[in-house]
Amino acid sequence: QKEVEQDPGPLSVPEGAIVSLNCTYSNSAFQYFMWYRQYSRKGPELLMYTYSSGNKEDGRFTAQVDKSSKYISLFIRDSQPSDSATYLCASHTGGFKTIFGAGTRLFVKA
Amino acid sequence: SQTIHQWPATLVQPVGSPLSLECTVEGTSNPNLYWYRQAAGRGLQLLFYSVGIGQISSEVPQNLSASRPQDRQFILSSKKLLLSDSGFYLCAGTGTTYNEQFFGPGTRLTVL
Repeated sequence: QKEVEQDPGPLSVPEGAIVSLNCTYSNSAFQYFMWYRQYSRKGPELLMYTYSSGNKEDGRFTAQVDKSSKYISLFIRDSQPSDSATYLCASHTGGFKTIFGAGTRLFVKA
Repeated sequence: SQTIHQWPATLVQPVGSPLSLECTVEGTSNPNLYWYRQAAGRGLQLLFYSVGIGQISSEVPQNLSASRPQDRQFILSSKKLLLSDSGFYLCAGTGTTYNEQFFGPGTRLTVL
């Protein structure tokens, strides 16, 4: 079992929709949780970073961590065509290595 | 803010040729540095990480090596490339809290 599991998609939604992206993880020692956005042929860009459980909001993006169920979510409100990208979730315990999900491809249709 | 520079952006090399990819970091001191490889449609595979000058940890046995000659310089090398070395290579570095990683633009390597 991979330490971080993520549905590869693709996920296709109409412009303006609320997008829900999800990951599960197996290591209960994970304390730090990140979401990255990666456009085609570019490096990943850090979108959201949270510590432990709870919600964090930044503009149209909300990251949610539920440590009891080992579930990580990213919500995108009022999705735009420019949000079309691959979204990677990631976690670590506070040590040197970060574990990444395989990424979910999102397409937002105009 | 931190910036990761990588070059070249794309590279086409014949099998058996050497490789040198360079990564430099701007805007932070003493970062942890990482080399990842990303195959098409797949996740990030950690190749090497470094917590300081001259300190390299290898995650995957292979014909690649890494070096960190300066605090903000990280180099990925190979003496003889294999076809299986093709992929998208990403350099990353930690920020001031050491908890988040920031990525460079990547190098797309094709070995023919």
